[in-house]
Amino acid sequence: GNSVTQMEGPVTLSEEAFLTINCTYTATGYPSLFWYVQYPGEGLQLLLKATKADDKGSNKGFEATYRKETTSFHLEKGSVQVSDSAVYFCATAEGGGNKLTFGTGTQLKVEL
Amino acid sequence: EAGVAQSPRYKIIEKRQSVAFWCNPISGHATLYWYQQILGQGPKLLIQFQNNGVVDDSQLPKDRFSAERLKGVDSTLKIQPAKLEDSAVYLCASRSQGAGTDTQYFGPGTRLTVL
Repeated sequence: GNSVTQMEGPVTLSEEAFLTINCTYTATGYPSLFWYVQYPGEGLQLLLKATKADDKGSNKGFEATYRKETTSFHLEKGSVQVSDSAVYFCATAEGGGNKLTFGTGTQLKVEL
Repeated sequence: EAGVAQSPRYKIIEKRQSVAFWCNPISGHATLYWYQQILGQGPKLLIQFQNNGVVDDSQLPKDRFSAERLKGVDSTLKIQPAKLEDSAVYLCASRSQGAGTDTQYFGPGTRLTVL
């Protein structure tokens, strides 16, 4: 089956800093790739996704590009805010989205 | 549209007791999933339903966990008897069918504490 490896957290940044959270995957075929976010006390929310190589997903200033050659889907944001503090999960979906495999999550803390 | 609903939000029980969680997916979503998220880990799929049939329950501990989706809409996940290691957040997700519908939508989860 698929597997996902994320950089360990917590990641602590100052407001307006640049963010990168690394994610690499192993999979058979061409999975869809996702970033989910979990704010404190809330459920998982889809942040962005990409369904094929070289696709770029984007939402709320976050971006991630599906890199088939490096099997990566790194999450980036140019200027983080305190409100971005959350746990971020990278995930792959095989079987047309039928089975999600998550990474262990990366906690982001943004300070003033 | 309304999201995935789950109840209760929190539950505390003693080991060896039984507990049940309820999930109502987004209207019209044929596929329903139950995940277990242990603190500090990513969610792990327990069971997947397509309408009222089980598609994948390979990671469900069937000696103590059971789930049903009798009418192909809402679903119940039960643990009997509970163990300490079952302490986790239980997440329900749903997904519609059709081309370009590979996104799962998650409910808020039920946080279970087993003492």
